[in-house]
Amino acid sequence: DSGVTQTPKHLITATGQRVTLRCSPRSGDLSVYWYQQSLDQGLQFLIQYYNGEERAKGNILERFSAQQFPDLHSELNLSSLELGDSALYFCASSVTGSPGIHNEQFFGPGTRLTVL
Amino acid sequence: GEDVEQSLFLSVREGDSSVINCTYTDSSSTYLYWYKQEPGAGLQLLTYIFSNMDMKQDQRLTVLLNKKDKHLSLRIADTQTGDSAIYFCAEPWGNTPLVFGKGTRLSVIA
Repeated sequence: DSGVTQTPKHLITATGQRVTLRCSPRSGDLSVYWYQQSLDQGLQFLIQYYNGEERAKGNILERFSAQQFPDLHSELNLSSLELGDSALYFCASSVTGSPGIHNEQFFGPGTRLTVL
Repeated sequence: GEDVEQSLFLSVREGDSSVINCTYTDSSSTYLYWYKQEPGAGLQLLTYIFSNMDMKQDQRLTVLLNKKDKHLSLRIADTQTGDSAIYFCAEPWGNTPLVFGKGTRLSVIA
């Protein structure tokens, strides 16, 4: 158990809908990362927050948004869902998240999103 | 652009050594990582190596780094069935905290 929790574990929805994925980082970790894992694209970095502020942005679609709240939990919002958004979405956390230094990222178990 | 390459599959017999290879892109990466993903689970950090090192050993795991060729390898000695998983090589790239390879699926035959 990494200490990172994600809810829900599974989510099935229809195209065009909007969903919210939730992540609680390990106690004491200030940085939260979101990743998407799909068969064709592999594991792709979406976005990173540090202590409530966006720190780095990856291949995140405009239909997707995220935020980190004062209690450090984070939510990833996916809207206007398409079939291709079906994937495993992982959240990870680390103590700092500063570039150039070793930041061990602890991964949650993931949320499996199925868009029908 | 960033690109981390790994072979997709590796099959070994229990008790043999496994060697998983990776080539990475960014020669300025300060750290390089190996993550393990077991079926139905998230990723777990296995080990990492600082870029000024050539080798790092941690129990059954040996990481070799060839900076000139941008080549990273992970050797698992005395491979067990519990080692069956997907292994990801990863490096920081620019502002991206981690860029992952596609993963190598290791199958261990008893």
